[in-house]
This record gives sequence, structure tokens and C-alpha cells, in this order.
Amino acid sequence: EIVLTQSPATLSLSPGERATLSCRASQSVSSFLAWYQQKPGQAPRLLIYDASNRASGIPARFSGSGSGTDFTLTISSLEPEDFAVYHCQQRSNWPLTFGGGTKVEIK
Amino acid sequence: EVQLLESGGGLVQPGGSLRLSCAASGFIFSNYAMSWVRQAPGRGLEWVSDISDNGGSTDYADSVKGRFTISRDNSKNTLHLQMSSLRAEDTAVYHCVKTVGTTTRAFDYWGQGILVTVSS
Repeated sequence: EIVLTQSPATLSLSPGERATLSCRASQSVSSFLAWYQQKPGQAPRLLIYDASNRASGIPARFSGSGSGTDFTLTISSLEPEDFAVYHCQQRSNWPLTFGGGTKVEIK
Repeated sequence: EVQLLESGGGLVQPGGSLRLSCAASGFIFSNYAMSWVRQAPGRGLEWVSDISDNGGSTDYADSVKGRFTISRDNSKNTLHLQMSSLRAEDTAVYHCVKTVGTTTRAFDYWGQGILVTVSS
């Protein structure tokens, strides 16, 4: 099973700041990595798939990069609605796996 | 508008069974693989099971293999998850999820989820 490790566990930032979230895979997943945003009491929302493809309706301030084992989700300038938990997920190998999540909180 | 509506959750005793259903609308159901993803209270996301667009191929997490069965009825746009030999650790909100494409196992639409509680 491919283990995804997200860091940091919590990121404390102010609105307008840049957020950089990391997801590291225990073995190569090529570019088959997705990112989701989840707010309290809500289902997750797909942000990025296949490392760098923005999902439909996702603002341009969200971008993804990386390949192999190291991936990054960048939020260029945090809006108030961006404070949430972010999950990564790989689809390279079965079983599909998720990372443990990074919480982006207001500083 | 894509909609995924889960039903069938609730409280069940350890060792019991439950069948979840997901009614899909707003897209051509038979063109997409579907999955179930769960989230235990206060925990992260865990993929549970996947079924191909025509139902001919299924996959399961090791934690549920042999106990859960995924199925679909493309004539009724419905996805199912039959759960048996339930354990306390199966307690979670279960989400029905649609894949981006038949070979792209990223999930672009999620149901709101249905709570399954396994407890005596």
C-alpha cells in the first residue's frame, strides 16, 4: 500500500498570504495525485487531479505541482473561505489511499 | 446538476449487516466508475471500494475485503454497498463518489454522506 504523508499537519497563516502544502508518497505515483478541500460538516471538494489539473470551477489561486513522490499544493493568496483541511489522494496503485490531511487555519 | 444521495445508514450491532444505496442523477451514470469513501469521526478519509462503469470490475480496501460487496444497477442509476460482519471500526460517514473518468480515479462529486454506527 502506498502511504501518503502530508506536511505540515497544521499551517497557521493570515488572509492574503501564500500557502504551500506538501504530500509525499512512499513510492512513485507518477503524476496520479489529487488534492481535495474539506470544510467542517461538508463533503470534500476536488481541487486538483493528476498533480496539476484544476477541477472544474476551481479558482486559479489553487495550483498543484510535482511528480513521482513529492507533490505541492499552492494557494497563491489565501481567501477567508480557503481555511479548511486539505487531503491528497493517489490513484497510481490499488488500494487508493489518502494522506492524513493538512489543516490551514487562520493565524 | 450532479447529485449523489446516500441512504440506508444507521445504528447496527457488531456482527450485523447493512446495505447502503446511492441514487445518482445529473450525469450518464453508466459512463463512470464509482467508489465509496468513508471518514471515521475526527479522522481522515479512507477509500473503501470501487466499481467499474459496467460493474465488471470491483476493488476493495483490505480492511473490508470479504465483508463488503459493491454493486451497481445502471438501469436505475444506483450504487450499493452491502456491508456484513460489521465491526466498531467500520463506524464512519460513508460517501458515494463519482470518478472524474472511467480510468481516472479522482473523485469530482461527493454525496453528503450517510452515518453508519456499529455499536452494541
